[in-house]
Amino acid sequence: DIQMTQSPSSLSASVGDRVTITCRASQSISTYLNWFQQRPGKAPKLLIYSASDLQNGIPSRFSGSGSGTDFTLTISSLQPEDFATYYCQQSDSTPWTFGQGTTVEIK
Amino acid sequence: QVQLVQSGAEVKKPGASVKVSCKASGYTFSSYYIHWVRQAPGQGLEWMGLINPSGGSTNYAQKFQGRVTMTRDTSTSTVYMEMTRVTFEDTAMYFCARGQGLGARLPAGYWGQGTLVIVSS
Repeated sequence: DIQMTQSPSSLSASVGDRVTITCRASQSISTYLNWFQQRPGKAPKLLIYSASDLQNGIPSRFSGSGSGTDFTLTISSLQPEDFATYYCQQSDSTPWTFGQGTTVEIK
Repeated sequence: QVQLVQSGAEVKKPGASVKVSCKASGYTFSSYYIHWVRQAPGQGLEWMGLINPSGGSTNYAQKFQGRVTMTRDTSTSTVYMEMTRVTFEDTAMYFCARGQGLGARLPAGYWGQGTLVIVSS
């Protein structure tokens, strides 16, 4: 199985901050990398697919980059509704695997 | 609009079976894979497997092989996930999620609301 490692596990940030979360795959997954946001008690929401494509309806402050084994999710200007947990997920091969999550908290 | 509506919460004793449903609407049922993902309390996301509603073929994570069965009913656009011999470690929120098409590499863009399964003696 492909292992996905996210960093950091958590971070504290203020509204308006630029936030970057990284994700590393244990082997090359091309650009089959997706990012999800999950708020407490809710289902995950797809933000970015294929490493850098913005899902319909997602604000442009979210962006993704990377290929191969190293990927990044960036929130350009953190908004109050962005405080949540973020997961990367590879869909290059089954079983799909997820990173352990990054919790973005209010500073 | 695309909707995935899951069945209600379940409480099961260890060793029992549980069957969770996921009713799809707002799109052509047979044109999109359905995945099942679970999340134990306070933990991350774990992929369980997928079903191709067109034909019913399945692909399970090895961890769940032999204990999980995914089926579909095309007449009602409903997918089912049945887990047998549940243990305390199966206590989790179970989500169904729709892929972006017929392909395991296509991401899951729509998710059900989740079904809480509690295993308790």
